Amino acid sequence: SYELSQPPSVSVSPGQTASITCSGDKLGDKYGCWYQQRPGQSPVLVIYQNSKRPSGIPERFSGSTSENTATLTISGAQAMDEADYFCQAWDPSTGYVFGPGTKVTVL
Amino acid sequence: QVQLQESGPGLVKPSQTLSLTCTVSGGSISSGTYYWSWIRQPAGKGLEWVGRIYTSGSTSYNPSLKSRVTISVDTSKNQFSLRLNSVTAADTAVYYCAREVAAHIGNWIDPWGQGTLVTVSS
Repeated sequence: SYELSQPPSVSVSPGQTASITCSGDKLGDKYGCWYQQRPGQSPVLVIYQNSKRPSGIPERFSGSTSENTATLTISGAQAMDEADYFCQAWDPSTGYVFGPGTKVTVL
Repeated sequence: QVQLQESGPGLVKPSQTLSLTCTVSGGSISSGTYYWSWIRQPAGKGLEWVGRIYTSGSTSYNPSLKSRVTISVDTSKNQFSLRLNSVTAADTAVYYCAREVAAHIGNWIDPWGQGTLVTVSS
């Protein structure tokens, strides 16, 4: 079955840049997504098709990929960006697969 | 703007069937190229895709749950539903319904419902 891996946590100072990685076999070919989940809330789409940003998502969120890694970058992190971030991809044999999540702390 | 709302019992006994309904508002469940999905999240843990249905009735399920899951759609009510049978405590989770946007490559899930907690306990 297809699996994605993420670091459990990332810390960033306010105004600095946070990078969250997601690794999986040939992940760059799967045009995956990123979701933000604040405590007690539903997930919100922040990046789709590797690097596209939905309307309403701040420009400080960006996505990029290499062959086996997707990266979500938060440029100029704010306190409101504290949340769990999940990567996601579709695999023909497994269906939708989510990464285990990365907790971003802004301090 | 499309919104989704889950409804159903918050407590289910072990070995029984979990049944949830998602009501879609702000748009027709039949319009556009969308799948309608169920995703769950145990407390303090990550997201697990349960399955999805297209408005044609075509379904896809998580292989690990496939033998116990049925997703159906009622276009007349603008609703889709989840049934998970033979539940155990491991099925205790917040269950989200969501819309999946179908693209030529790289579908995405947006928006999500607010989620409903289902506890499996006697």
